[in-house]
Amino acid sequence: EVQLVESGGGLVQPGRSLRLSCAASGFTFGDYAMHWVRQAPGKGLEWVSGISWNSGSIGYADSVKGRFTISRDNAKNSLYLQMNSLRPEDTALYYCSKVRTYGDYFSNFDYWGQGTLVTVSS
Amino acid sequence: EIVLTQSPGTLSLSPGERATLSCRASQSVSSTFLAWYQQKPGQAPRLLIYGASSRATGIPDRFSGSGSGTDFTLTISRLEPEDFAVYYCQQYGRSPLTFGPGTKVEIK
Repeated sequence: EVQLVESGGGLVQPGRSLRLSCAASGFTFGDYAMHWVRQAPGKGLEWVSGISWNSGSIGYADSVKGRFTISRDNAKNSLYLQMNSLRPEDTALYYCSKVRTYGDYFSNFDYWGQGTLVTVSS
Repeated sequence: EIVLTQSPGTLSLSPGERATLSCRASQSVSSTFLAWYQQKPGQAPRLLIYGASSRATGIPDRFSGSGSGTDFTLTISRLEPEDFAVYYCQQYGRSPLTFGPGTKVEIK
């Protein structure tokens, strides 16, 4: 059974940093691109960042470019999101998601975690 | 950036009725790269349709997708009680990947 479990969220002051993690199991993690998608309270879905299976392709939404860094450790079956210079508008539930198709970088997402909540407030 | 617009914002229907949800793109999207998701309160999104018309694993055949270019449709042939939720379309053909704002299907 595929499982994605996010952690690392919490309350943080504007300008501070936070590192999110996503622990994956139930599939060959190193074969699939992974992405972060966020959802502000009561709002829709927003793609944040994605990383290919071998970290060769990485992308960011304009809203987080230069502040967030995505990475992965295939040996540990883990995905990360380093978030620096956090802003109140970064407040959201952050989902880790797996692409459906082996080898694809940009794709649809067949599995999602339950999310980790990041609240940026003074 | 490809902007996706979904209509209507809210659809009020009764169980057993047919639901037709629209997703319109600001630029042409290859039908290979259009997906639909369902999200219920407190839950993560669930993939329903990919490639505009292919059902994801385990999705009932009352869900169907169609369309091409800039206009796409998700149809639920007969609404079941568990289908009342928010539905999002997504394009993944061009960076940045984008989602529509969602259509809420509520019980009338």
